Amino acid sequence: DAKTTQPPSMDCAEGRAANLPCNHSTISGNEYVYWYRQIHSQGPQYIIHGLKNNETNEMASLIITEDRKSSTLILPHATLRDTAVYYCIVRVVDGNKLVFGAGTILRVKS
Amino acid sequence: KAGVTQTPRYLIKTRGQQVTLSCSPISGHRSVSWYQQTPGQGLQFLFEYFSETQRNKGNFPGRFSGRQFSNSRSEMNVSTLELGDSALYLCASSLVGQGASPAFFGQGTRLTVV
Repeated sequence: DAKTTQPPSMDCAEGRAANLPCNHSTISGNEYVYWYRQIHSQGPQYIIHGLKNNETNEMASLIITEDRKSSTLILPHATLRDTAVYYCIVRVVDGNKLVFGAGTILRVKS
Repeated sequence: KAGVTQTPRYLIKTRGQQVTLSCSPISGHRSVSWYQQTPGQGLQFLFEYFSETQRNKGNFPGRFSGRQFSNSRSEMNVSTLELGDSALYLCASSLVGQGASPAFFGQGTRLTVV
């Protein structure tokens, strides 16, 4: 599985967009990019995933570069409840083995 | 639709004992995977089961084992517990053969070994 690189921490003002970058330069053609977040001591929560097109759902948007070597998770209007560790993962289709890195600690401040 | 259910939520065991944790996947999900989360090592993959067969295995000693039943429910067992086995154990389930369907996690079992 390809490895990902994320900044260790980021701050965001409440109500502003939070943009979380992820580098996955060794991603293979059949690997999807997934984003999860984990609020302290809870199970990771699925946010969004994509292959090469940009994706949007009720929680967030995922922007994947054309060469697929990096992506950005966008939380359009961050709230204090979005404070969590965000994990970017690449995963082979139909494989249920997720390789977690250290993730990005996002702190949303009022 | 009910989510992934893990039982028990909290457990305290003594060194040398064994423990069994249970995971009920989302209805219709046939793949179940297990993870260990500790402050020092982060989230680490233990193993994955599909159709009652172990499909993937992480780098953990043989004291960690699992199984899956015909209804897709899964259990993991840790024998001869060590202090270092204290961790949050997470279970995730997903559809198989449905493209890139994501894995969904339970709330975990917090195991403390004393």
